[in-house]
Amino acid sequence: GAGVSQSPSNKVTEKGKDVELRCDPISGHTALYWYRQSLGQGLEFLIYFQGNSAPDKSGLPSDRFSAERTGGSVSTLTIQRTQQEDSAVYLCASSLYSADTQYFGPGTRLTVL
Amino acid sequence: AQSVTQLGSHVSVSEGALVLLRCNYSSSVPPYLFWYVQYPNQGLQLLLKYTTGATLVKGINGFEAEFKKSETSFHLTKPSAHMSDAAEYFCAVRPSFGNEKLTFGTGTRLTIIP
Repeated sequence: GAGVSQSPSNKVTEKGKDVELRCDPISGHTALYWYRQSLGQGLEFLIYFQGNSAPDKSGLPSDRFSAERTGGSVSTLTIQRTQQEDSAVYLCASSLYSADTQYFGPGTRLTVL
Repeated sequence: AQSVTQLGSHVSVSEGALVLLRCNYSSSVPPYLFWYVQYPNQGLQLLLKYTTGATLVKGINGFEAEFKKSETSFHLTKPSAHMSDAAEYFCAVRPSFGNEKLTFGTGTRLTIIP
């Protein structure tokens, strides 16, 4: 079946602009995760959604970062007033339920000039 | 708190030789352990995982890993390397209950020498 999809695959933006990154999880998966992969920090957790529960935002690096998940499916990660240090690959993952294996999308490569 | 240490950011092996990628973890509660592989410009693909039961876990593409609690290790092995194994490998840990997020190691880039 279809895996996790993310769009866009690449995004180049100017410092100070807002960006939105989209994740379509595997159909029926109740849990959704965002991670960031950067040269300096490796792979780090950002935010986690499970069903209708309040999201775990403990990994968001600043209040410029936010995410929502509409209808328990698609998720959007928004970065406001982008900075050069936000340049990274943003990975989305989903799992059937919270304790299950996480399946990753191909990522969105964000470059902030 | 939990953490993962992968020894060797780069490992090179000859085609047909043994692959050994090292992973040590630190966790205050019983962990679940994972190995993911990332090919260039692609997302992470699950190779194998340990949750409970048999400590020797077999995964895809001929890889296996053994959970050794006494050594807090989960090293990844493959008896005979293939050119297609060239990729970056990540070890990850999460608690066996609660707190579902994964904590990743810094990754090991595997190069296969023809």
